[in-house]
Amino acid sequence: QKEVEQNSGPLSVPEGAIASLNCTYSDRGSQSFFWYRQYSGKSPELIMFIYSNGDKEDGRFTAQLNKASQYVSLLIRDSQPSDSATYLCAALTSGTYKYIFGTGTRLKVLA
Amino acid sequence: EAQVTQNPRYLITVTGKKLTVTCSQNMNHEYMSWYRQDPGLGLRQIYYSMNVEVTDKGDVPEGYKVSRKEKRNFPLILESPSPNQTSLYFCASSLPGHKYNEQFFGPGTRLTVL
Repeated sequence: QKEVEQNSGPLSVPEGAIASLNCTYSDRGSQSFFWYRQYSGKSPELIMFIYSNGDKEDGRFTAQLNKASQYVSLLIRDSQPSDSATYLCAALTSGTYKYIFGTGTRLKVLA
Repeated sequence: EAQVTQNPRYLITVTGKKLTVTCSQNMNHEYMSWYRQDPGLGLRQIYYSMNVEVTDKGDVPEGYKVSRKEKRNFPLILESPSPNQTSLYFCASSLPGHKYNEQFFGPGTRLTVL
């Protein structure tokens, strides 16, 4: 069974701090990875995607991928209370168009 | 406005009464998918479709059917709903053929089966 694992949290950080969210995956052939943000009662929205080893930056967000360790992370700099949400990590599995989602990490940014 | 729509948004039904949840997208996306979201279990893929008349099972297809007769529509059918299908359902669409494509999600359908 292919899996994506995340710590459910909550992860609490003070406003202005860096929030670090982590995710591991079991399918070594997975090629693309996604971070979605989901506010309570709302649908997921894409924050970042990454498919190459290393870092990818977009504004306050940085995604990191380490395929050797099967590890994906999301860093949120200068965290704001509006960043408080559940962050879902997802992998597009190898050879198919099946997506595997983690259970999500709840982030709380304290004002 | 580019969007994925789902209907109904809320539905309460009884065990065994067939129901259909509709999903429609106006972005000309080939790829469409259904997910269910349950507390502690995250989003789990039910079925997906790569294009018209092409569908495939996700991780939790039991008890569900889908069809893709038109590119824009991808209805989810529960022939005989059971209480364990009580969940929040999301439809999503994207362009395939890119390994880094973004899925656009509909607003969700909250289903309760009594």
